Amino acid sequence: GAVVSQHPSRVICKSGTSVKIECRSLDFQATTMFWYRQFPKKSLMLMATSNEGSKATYEQGVEKDKFLINHASLTLSTLTVTSAHPEDSSFYICSARDRTTEAFFGQGTRLTVV
Amino acid sequence: LAKTTQPISMDSYEGQEVNITCSHNNIATNDYITWYQQFPSQGPRFIIQGYKTKVTNEVASLFIPADRKSSTLSLPRVSLSDTAVYYCLTSTGGATNKLIFGTGTLLAVQP
Repeated sequence: GAVVSQHPSRVICKSGTSVKIECRSLDFQATTMFWYRQFPKKSLMLMATSNEGSKATYEQGVEKDKFLINHASLTLSTLTVTSAHPEDSSFYICSARDRTTEAFFGQGTRLTVV
Repeated sequence: LAKTTQPISMDSYEGQEVNITCSHNNIATNDYITWYQQFPSQGPRFIIQGYKTKVTNEVASLFIPADRKSSTLSLPRVSLSDTAVYYCLTSTGGATNKLIFGTGTLLAVQP
C-alpha cells in the first residue's frame, strides 16, 4: 500500500519557538493532505485540510496563525507550530488519500514544549 | 461531528474471536465503512474496508447488514499484540474527502 512519511517522530522545543513538521507521500501524489492532533487517551481531531498550491482549510476552533500549513508540492505538506507553548504539546499526525478510498497515515510526531 | 458510535472499551483473552460493532445510522449512500487500528504513539493503520455484505482479508472480517446502519469488525483468535484502539469511520472515496474520527474502541487482550 501507499506510504506516508512524517518527520520528525518526536521533538522537544522551548516555549516561544516554532517547530516544523513534514509530511511526505512517498509513492503517490497527494493533492490533499490532512493534519490531526491527538491528546493522550483521546481520539484524533482534524485540524486542517492541506491543498496543494492553495491555502489550507482549517476546522473550527483551530488558529490558522498558530498552525501554519504549507502544501508546496504534490508530495509534501508541512505544519509549523508557531510560538509554541506547553499546551501545544501533543501528538500530530498527517494523512493523505490517493485515488482509492483508503487513507494513509504518517507515523505521527510527538511534540513536547518545555 | 463524528458519524459513528462504538463501545469505549472491550476486554478479551488470547485466542478468542473479538467482534466490535459500530453504529452509523446516518450513513450516506456513497459512504464506505473503514476500520483503522492505532497503537500508542503511532499513526492509524488501515485494517479493512467495505460497502455492504461481508469482506474478509488476512487479518479481519467486516460484516455489514443490508441497511448499512451498523458494521461489525471481527478479529479471529486475537493475541496480546492486538491490544490497540480500533476506529470505525464512514466516508465517501476521493482524495479530498476528510475522515472524522469518533472515540474508537480500546481493545485490551489479556493472556
